[in-house]
Amino acid sequence: AQSVTQLDSQVPVFEEAPVELRCNYSSSVSVYLFWYVQYPNQGLQLLLKYLSGSTLVKGINGFEAEFNKSQTSFHLRKPSVHISDTAEYFCAVSDLRGDYKLSFGAGTTVTVRA
Amino acid sequence: DVKVTQSSRYLVKRTGEKVFLECVQDMDHENMFWYRQDPGLGLRLIYFSYDVKMKEKGDIPEGYSVSREKKERFSLILESASTNQTSMYLCASSSGQPAYEQYFGPGTRLTVT
Repeated sequence: AQSVTQLDSQVPVFEEAPVELRCNYSSSVSVYLFWYVQYPNQGLQLLLKYLSGSTLVKGINGFEAEFNKSQTSFHLRKPSVHISDTAEYFCAVSDLRGDYKLSFGAGTTVTVRA
Repeated sequence: DVKVTQSSRYLVKRTGEKVFLECVQDMDHENMFWYRQDPGLGLRLIYFSYDVKMKEKGDIPEGYSVSREKKERFSLILESASTNQTSMYLCASSSGQPAYEQYFGPGTRLTVT
């Protein structure tokens, strides 16, 4: 079974500053990795995903993430945040056994201040 | 655009009531999921379904059941609601391609009093 740890529960950041959200996973097999965002009072939407190939993945709204197999990490970054990036962010992992399930981290709340 | 809809955004029920949460997807997805979201715990899988009339328990199935009579519809049932089932419930669907990406509904915030 796989598991996900998001290392920060709350990240306050000023507008136009960079942000990094940390995610570590554990799994005995190869995995697919995802970052989802949940804006206030909405469902989750996909930011980006790593399936294979280049370890640097670019997503929507200027976000990117880097897969590091040796450190079993998939950290999310944005070089300059906006007020509208205030949201909760979830890291998720799915192993390649084919059961289609995702395991989610506990989430990181990002609050962007002017 | 994939659309996953849930029957209610907010629901208030009394302890002991039978509660139905409905989810419909319009993309002909094989897989459907019910999650519960609580602060500090992330999303926890309650039940999922790979096909019509098929269901599998997730990580926290106790106190819940599901029904999938049609491919597009997946219902979550609380047989006898309890206060510890007060939570946000999220439905999702996926086709299995590409690589298990799930599409989520807006959620139902259930309060059991």
